[in-house]
Amino acid sequence: QSVLTQPPSASGTPGQRVTISCSGSSSNIGSNYVYWYQQLPGTAPKLLIYRNNQRPSGVPDRFSGSKSGTSASLAISGLRSEDEADYYCAAWDDSLSGHWVFGGGTKLTVL
Amino acid sequence: EVQLVQSGAEVKKPGESLKISCKGSGYSFTSYWIGWVRQMPGKGLEWMGIIYPGDSDTRYSPSFQGQVTISADKSISTAYLQWSSLKASDTAMYYCAIRGYSYPAFDYWGQGTLVTVSS
Repeated sequence: QSVLTQPPSASGTPGQRVTISCSGSSSNIGSNYVYWYQQLPGTAPKLLIYRNNQRPSGVPDRFSGSKSGTSASLAISGLRSEDEADYYCAAWDDSLSGHWVFGGGTKLTVL
Repeated sequence: EVQLVQSGAEVKKPGESLKISCKGSGYSFTSYWIGWVRQMPGKGLEWMGIIYPGDSDTRYSPSFQGQVTISADKSISTAYLQWSSLKASDTAMYYCAIRGYSYPAFDYWGQGTLVTVSS
């Protein structure tokens, strides 16, 4: 059971807009930044969004992040086949001396 | 160029000990937190803990406290993840990552080390 809750799956057709949610609590998302990682099959995770809504250089602006209260979302617009991957949210959790936590991950399928 | 190069795949028996490594290059090893992440077969990512090589400040995630040991050797720019007695449930891919080199996040990742524990 992950500290952050994500839907296990999401899907969309090419060109569509898809959102993935991430729900936490006051000790993590509610008081700290949210990060999003993309993991393509057989590869290491890649930073997609940092500090709730910032994109690293090289990440297409089709990817966007937002946060409200104890929840966050990743939106992918103009869906492409290469976006098919697992997506994870992450945040620092202030409980028990502090530690990083991930969501359970969402497998995105491009139909 | 920042690189994190992890040690190769391991096959061990239950009860054996193991130490895997993550060698950093292309940056100041002592200036950035290094994290370790577990990914069990077909499952999601789990933070295990982090270490600041500059002073060896180490923080463990509650689920991994007492189960593993995270350490670093500044002289050879290498971080370690260690088990004293492996269990079959330790079978997983393990990743290291550094925080904050280009962005305030874990932004560079190693290639992963696959650990298989089987009798």
